[in-house]
Amino acid sequence: GENVEQHPSTLSVQEGDSAVIKCTYSDSASNYFPWYKQELGKGPQLIIDIRSNVGEKKDQRIAVTLNKTAKHFSLHITETQPEDSAVYFCAASRGTNQGAQKLVFGQGTRLTINP
Amino acid sequence: DARVTQTPRHKVTEMGQEVTMRCQPILGHNTVFWYRQTMMQGLELLAYFRNRAPLDDSGMPKDRFSAEMPDATLATLKIQPSEPRDSAVYFCASGSLTVSSYNSPLHFGNGTRLTVT
Repeated sequence: GENVEQHPSTLSVQEGDSAVIKCTYSDSASNYFPWYKQELGKGPQLIIDIRSNVGEKKDQRIAVTLNKTAKHFSLHITETQPEDSAVYFCAASRGTNQGAQKLVFGQGTRLTINP
Repeated sequence: DARVTQTPRHKVTEMGQEVTMRCQPILGHNTVFWYRQTMMQGLELLAYFRNRAPLDDSGMPKDRFSAEMPDATLATLKIQPSEPRDSAVYFCASGSLTVSSYNSPLHFGNGTRLTVT
């Protein structure tokens, strides 16, 4: 089955600097890669996603890149702000027309933005 | 703002007792997932429904866990009997899977924190 590795497990950056979180996956048939942000006491919230037919996607200060050949994808947050502090999860899944969709999550990265 | 609603938010129970967690998916979503989150194992998929039919429950201990969708607005996860190792946060998530989109963004509830003593 799919296995997703996420690094680093913790990341501390100064406010205004950029943060990068990296993930690798094992199943070359995976075709959907979302990123979730989880704040204390809440469920994961989708912040950006990318499909395998796209190499890069950007939404304001957040961007995701995908390298299918190397089977890795990354989250980039620019101009970090204190409210970006949270745990971030990457995930991968292989959707099929039979309706199967099993998101496999990485272990998470605790991001701390220092003022 | 549509959201997934889970009840209860917190549950403390003694070993051996039955626990039922409930989830109201976003109206119109046709897929429902149950995940369990622990520090050691992270987010694990327990069960998955599409159009109320169970598609995959391979992540769930069959002897004590059961998941159902009595109707499109309610999903339940039951543990009987509960054990201390079941202590975790249980999340429900829903999505809208279509023929043209084999992957759909999942929307998570805020979870049920279960403590079994």
